[in-house]
Amino acid sequence: DAGITQSPRHKVTETGTPVTLRCHQTENHRYMYWYRQDPGHGLRLIHYSYGVKDTDKGEVSDGYSVSRSKTEDFLLTLESATSSQTSVYFCAISDRVVYEQYFGPGTRLTVT
Amino acid sequence: KQEVTQIPAALSVPEGENLVLNCSFTDSAIYNLQWFRQDPGKGLTSLLLIQSSQREQTSGRLNASLDKSSGRSTLYIAASQPGDSATYLCAVRRDGGATNKLIFGTGTLLAVQP
Repeated sequence: DAGITQSPRHKVTETGTPVTLRCHQTENHRYMYWYRQDPGHGLRLIHYSYGVKDTDKGEVSDGYSVSRSKTEDFLLTLESATSSQTSVYFCAISDRVVYEQYFGPGTRLTVT
Repeated sequence: KQEVTQIPAALSVPEGENLVLNCSFTDSAIYNLQWFRQDPGKGLTSLLLIQSSQREQTSGRLNASLDKSSGRSTLYIAASQPGDSATYLCAVRRDGGATNKLIFGTGTLLAVQP
């Protein structure tokens, strides 16, 4: 299995609070991604990174920000959590040779 | 806009049966296609990746084929086992590089009955 960890694995938070999710990889891969998975919508890309300090928006980026100060860490921040951001969040990584994506175990976030 | 469809949405088979899962995509200009499995409450596990220049890939009891011109891929599972029960997702990548984004299908939920 690719060396990807996510923390926390579960979180319950209140509406309006900021939340930060962490993705850590040990593979030294260049590309990192944040997705959310919701029933009826499947997997949707939130943000991605193509290098340290290089990030870009995905299809559902409103209300989210990201940062990547080191190759191994990619942080996802919900600036002011809303109930619509209750979801399962997955981090993924890929190299730049065959571009195969590997996924982390996920974080289940509940916003009350 | 690329759209990826998986049919059927759910499938139940008896143990030992060979089966085929289907994936269709609307834009044939893809870089590669990846098949994943997802167990309940877990992350996605990469099963097979097929580059656009390839016709098929094999791993153990799994065989994935790709027909770019018709916008189709199939995942063949031989001699199915109860441990194969999971949701299977296909995803296509339009190109490599910085815009290296996957477009996912909605998945096929497979149940293999003992």
